[in-house]
Amino acid sequence: GQSLEQPSEVTAVEGAIVQINCTYQTSGFYGLSWYQQHDGGAPTFLSYNALDGLEETGRFSSFLSRSDSYGYLLLQELQMKDSASYFCAPMGSARQLTFGSGTQLTVLP
Amino acid sequence: GAVVSQHPSWVICKSGTSVKIECRSLDFQATTMFWYRQFPKQSLMLMATSNEGSKATYEQGVEKDKFLINHASLTLSTLTVTSAHPEDSSFYICSARSGQQTYEQYFGPGTRLTVT
Repeated sequence: GQSLEQPSEVTAVEGAIVQINCTYQTSGFYGLSWYQQHDGGAPTFLSYNALDGLEETGRFSSFLSRSDSYGYLLLQELQMKDSASYFCAPMGSARQLTFGSGTQLTVLP
Repeated sequence: GAVVSQHPSWVICKSGTSVKIECRSLDFQATTMFWYRQFPKQSLMLMATSNEGSKATYEQGVEKDKFLINHASLTLSTLTVTSAHPEDSSFYICSARSGQQTYEQYFGPGTRLTVT
């Protein structure tokens, strides 16, 4: 079967660093995506890891360990606008995404 | 960047009626489109995957006769909720993927459906 786990809530202050972990179990795994969604808005793509290791895109980085079925999203120099829900989404054999329950990040001043 | 639009952005309908939601890729050809529904404060649940010119593939538990999906062209997919009931009230989001970027999906802004 398929399963996904990520923390439901994370709170941090502006300028801090936050790591959102994701463990998954899925068949036909191709890679791990991360999406951001603000309240009432559409999800927007943040990153994708097909191979083990760290991918860096500006203030955001994402890590994948295929052998551990584990990944994380690292957000640096947090800003108020980063307050949103963050979803990890493994990509399956049909290139479909399965979304986790999401992590609600609250950034405090 | 790639843009996906949805229409309408919100709709209110009465029980028993049908509602059609359109999803368009505005500046790229979408070989595959996906339909999700999302309840407040919850995750996106994949309903179906549609490829242009072929029948949609529905996820387990999703009634294909209730949620009709048509992907008639490389830029348009439609979701029709037939004989709507209040429990169908939800946020419906489509996404599209072009063949060149197989890992990134571009999401539409969503459609808020309320069935009274």
